[in-house]
Amino acid sequence: KNEVEQSPQNLTAQEGEFITINCSYSVGISALHWLQQHPGGGIVSLFMLSSGKKKHGRLIATINIQEKHSSLHITASHPRDSAVYICAASYGGATNKLIFGTGTLLAVQP
Amino acid sequence: KAGVTQTPRYLIKTRGQQVTLSCSPISGHRSVSWYQQTPGQGLQFLFEYFSETQRNKGNFPGRFSGRQFSNSRSEMNVSTLELGDSALYLCASSIGTGQTGNEKLFFGSGTQLSVL
Repeated sequence: KNEVEQSPQNLTAQEGEFITINCSYSVGISALHWLQQHPGGGIVSLFMLSSGKKKHGRLIATINIQEKHSSLHITASHPRDSAVYICAASYGGATNKLIFGTGTLLAVQP
Repeated sequence: KAGVTQTPRYLIKTRGQQVTLSCSPISGHRSVSWYQQTPGQGLQFLFEYFSETQRNKGNFPGRFSGRQFSNSRSEMNVSTLELGDSALYLCASSIGTGQTGNEKLFFGSGTQLSVL
């Protein structure tokens, strides 16, 4: 069964802290997506990766194919980073049929 | 460039009714996917359309259906609504070059459906 497991479920950090969110998945993914959802529902795609590491501003996403594991890192966290972060795996090649993790609710306190 | 547009934003229906939701993708995007989000089940894949053809379908009953038009706009329909269908319905588009599993997704703001 294709599954995506995400941890932690909830995370509270102080402004400026380094944050890591983890995601584990089953074999055979074609891509791993990291998504951000703010209150009100809107989802923004942060990263889509199938190997290696990607960086955008203070956000870094890595994936280890052998260990079937991906991490999202936030450096110098800020209260505006408070949101739900969701990892999602695409299985089976040419499809946007995503299997989603349960999400991590991040609260960054000033 | 306009983003992904979903209409309506909110919808209230009663059990047994049917509903149609609309999604207009980013101009030039050919793939549209639909997802359901509930507090209990989280995000779940409904279906994906690419060039007017359903490419894949999630594990939902036949009451859930969709289609895509030649301009890539997509609609999803839910017939005989049940209380459990209350959810946020999100669509996402991607450029659709054929390997859509490796393409960045752009999400709409969603339609919040309440079934009473």
